[in-house]
Amino acid sequence: EAGVTQFPSHSVIEKGQTVTLRCDPISGHDNLYWYRRVMGKEIKFLLHFVKESKQDESGMPNNRFLAERTGGTYSTLKVQPAELEDSGVYFCASSHSGQFTYEQYFGPGTRLTVT
Amino acid sequence: AQTVTQSQPEMSVQEAETVTLSCTYDTSESNYYLFWYKQPPSRQMILVIRQEAYKQQNATENRFSVNFQKAAKSFSLKISDSQLGDTAMYFCASRNYGGSQGNLIFGKGTKLSVKP
Repeated sequence: EAGVTQFPSHSVIEKGQTVTLRCDPISGHDNLYWYRRVMGKEIKFLLHFVKESKQDESGMPNNRFLAERTGGTYSTLKVQPAELEDSGVYFCASSHSGQFTYEQYFGPGTRLTVT
Repeated sequence: AQTVTQSQPEMSVQEAETVTLSCTYDTSESNYYLFWYKQPPSRQMILVIRQEAYKQQNATENRFSVNFQKAAKSFSLKISDSQLGDTAMYFCASRNYGGSQGNLIFGKGTKLSVKP
């Protein structure tokens, strides 16, 4: 069974540009989460999808961030326009619904650097 | 708001020895999960061990065990017989038991180095 995959692994962009991160969850996982870790700080929750619906987007920092999960499969996180403080590692995680929702499986992360 | 605190940014241990990583948390919930995740260098984060708050018995997974002190809101991880492959960032995390609050709350992490 393939794990959670994320693309790209690294992205370096200039301030003001747009970047789109992609996450492919484990097949059959209804729950998909986005997290971000800024250097030296905690991993912070951004948002949670259940299938294609946004269950909780309380962690999204501002309206420059747009997440989608069309068809309830893969998800994209777009940052437009990017700012310096958006630099960090963006993690995606997925989990089953129901009995086993406690375990979230993480992807390798996308390291975003905004210069 | 829930918080998780890991007070040890870095630790090191000799191979085959035992090490304990500390974690404290704060929550107003009565039911919740606690987790330790491990992220080896340049690899994905994986779940090491979990504890349901309603269970009094400490969780154990092979060489990994926890000391869960609910009243003190403490959740430390003990690694016995440390191996070189245990070198990683270790994150302590909490999660509410049910409802829509499915997200994890993480600490800052502890970088563990196992030395030969």
